[in-house]
This record gives sequence, C-alpha cells and structure tokens, in this order.
Amino acid sequence: GENVGLHLPTLSVQEGDNSIINCAYSNSASDYFIWYKQESGKGPQFIIDIRSNMDKRQGQRVTVLLNKTVKHLSLQIAATQPGDSAVYFCAEIIPTGRRALTFGSGTRLQVQP
Amino acid sequence: SAVISQKPSRDICQRGTSLTIQCQVDSQVTMMFWYRQQPGQSLTLIATANQGSEATYESGFVIDKFPISRPNLTFSTLTVSNMSPEDSSIYLCSVDRDTQYFGPGTRLTVL
Repeated sequence: GENVGLHLPTLSVQEGDNSIINCAYSNSASDYFIWYKQESGKGPQFIIDIRSNMDKRQGQRVTVLLNKTVKHLSLQIAATQPGDSAVYFCAEIIPTGRRALTFGSGTRLQVQP
Repeated sequence: SAVISQKPSRDICQRGTSLTIQCQVDSQVTMMFWYRQQPGQSLTLIATANQGSEATYESGFVIDKFPISRPNLTFSTLTVSNMSPEDSSIYLCSVDRDTQYFGPGTRLTVL
C-alpha cells in the first residue's frame, strides 16, 4: 500500500459506532470548506462541503459542522463501517478568486470490525 | 462530478532525469491545479494552471523545476525536472467545477 497518512493522528472506532473527525482551519476569511476521504493508493474523494454562511450540513451518513468563532470544522460519520477506514482531510478556500485549496494535516480513521 | 485520469499512475526514475505527468478531464474546465503529497503528509498546492495564460506558482515552487502546460480546457501536464530523491511524492491534479475533484495521482519514486 501507499504511505498516505503514515504519521497522521489516528482515530480508532468500532464498527457501528459514530465517528467525529476534527479540523482547525487557518484563515478566518475562508468561505468554503470541503472534507475529503483518501484511501490507500487513491486520490482524495469528495465527501461533503459547506459554505461559511452555514453551520451544519448533512449528507448520507455524514454531517459537517462549522464553528467560525473558533475556526473549527468537524466531520461526523454515523454507523461507521470498515469501508470508512481511510485518511480524512479538511480543506478550505480563501476567497481570492483562484479557488485553490489549503489542506489540513489529516486524520487516519481505523474501523475495527 | 468530474472524471479525471492521470498518466502514468506510478513511475520509478533516476535522479537527474525529468518526468512529465498528464492530466485529462472528461469535460472542459477553466481551473486546473497541481498538488504534491509527500510521504505521510497532506497535500500542498504547486500551481494553478489556466488555459491561455502562464501557470501561477505557490511559494517554494518555480517554473524551471515544475513547468506546466495547459494547451486546452481538458488537459494539462506537469513536468518534474532534474529529479532528486526529495521529489518522491504523489502528484495530483484537480479541477474546479461545482467543487474540486481530484485525479487518482501519480506516485513518483526517485532513486
């Protein structure tokens, strides 16, 4: 496999439990945030996004919470499954017009069957 | 969404050589980006590639080392020039559509 996330913090959960992955972002001017999932040997896969005018957004089994006061983003995964095991990255876009992403450091999620 | 392919998927190269990585997207996009992911690390933006203009490089990345082409709205190349072992990374392209989507990456090992 690849060395993606080899030195990243790890969250270990039991199958069926809920997972919460946290991210502190860097720029108070950021107006758009994305969570990505990266499995070994693959590119980042879009999970869910949220704009700065919202504080919560729900998808299928996932919820993203945004706290602009403390520049904090979280990803909640309900009923975590072994297929959720991966490295998760948050990313932010600063409204400069270029729409380039600044990534957080990432968290490895390990789901124990 | 977007369907993005990259070639090659992986390569092992000798130091001092250059490698050109191709990125193809399934339909036209204005903005394409190139990122580097060093072993065990997060992603770092190398440059933004827009069709019809010079690429815009981030701090720490220069055109001589990472020349980029963007000949049309569905294709871009990144060259890693005069490679050293420190260039061993995953190189990823992304496109901006309704959100940002990534290709599968090119895993480069420099010996």
